Amino acid sequence: GAGVSQSPSNKVTEKGKDVELRCDPISGHTALYWYRQSLGQGLEFLIYFQGNSAPDKSGLPSDRFSAERTGGSVSTLTIQRTQQEDSAVYLCASSLGLAGTYNEQFFGPGTRLTVL
Amino acid sequence: SQKIEQNSEALNIQEGKTATLTCNYTNYSPAYLQWYRQDPGRGPVFLLLIRENEKEKRKERLKVTFDTTLKQSLFHITASQPADSATYLCALYQAGTALIFGKGTTLSVSS
Repeated sequence: GAGVSQSPSNKVTEKGKDVELRCDPISGHTALYWYRQSLGQGLEFLIYFQGNSAPDKSGLPSDRFSAERTGGSVSTLTIQRTQQEDSAVYLCASSLGLAGTYNEQFFGPGTRLTVL
Repeated sequence: SQKIEQNSEALNIQEGKTATLTCNYTNYSPAYLQWYRQDPGRGPVFLLLIRENEKEKRKERLKVTFDTTLKQSLFHITASQPADSATYLCALYQAGTALIFGKGTTLSVSS
């Protein structure tokens, strides 16, 4: 079956512009996560959604970052007024249930964001 | 807050040898620990999960151990092959958040 998909695969933008990154999780997966991976760094947790519950936004680095998940499926991560330090690979993952319930996460291929 | 350390950034071994990767955490023992493989330009792929009450878990040539006294997990690949070359990530669950990942160890297996 289809895995997690993300679009675009690459995004180059100018400093100060807004960008939207999209994630299509595996059908039936109730949990969805966003991570950021900078060069030479580990995966940095940003936000996760579980079903219809309020998302856990504890990892968002600033109020320029926001995310929504419509209809419990597709998610969009929005970065406003992008800065050069936002350049990274943004990874989306989904799982059958919450992280605390021993579920493995299935990752998408990521979106490489470059802010000039 | 919990921190994860994967001691070696890079590990180079010869084909056929056993690769051993280390993952240490700093605070309380998590309910479970996971290992993922990441190839360049791709997202991580789940390999194994080990729970806090399990000492060892095996899957084909892979073996994971979990020592809550040492606050350490070891990841072994036996009879390593060049195709095993990748970055291996350790991850654990911290209550109230998603998984916390280590920076990874890049394994290179030479023929």
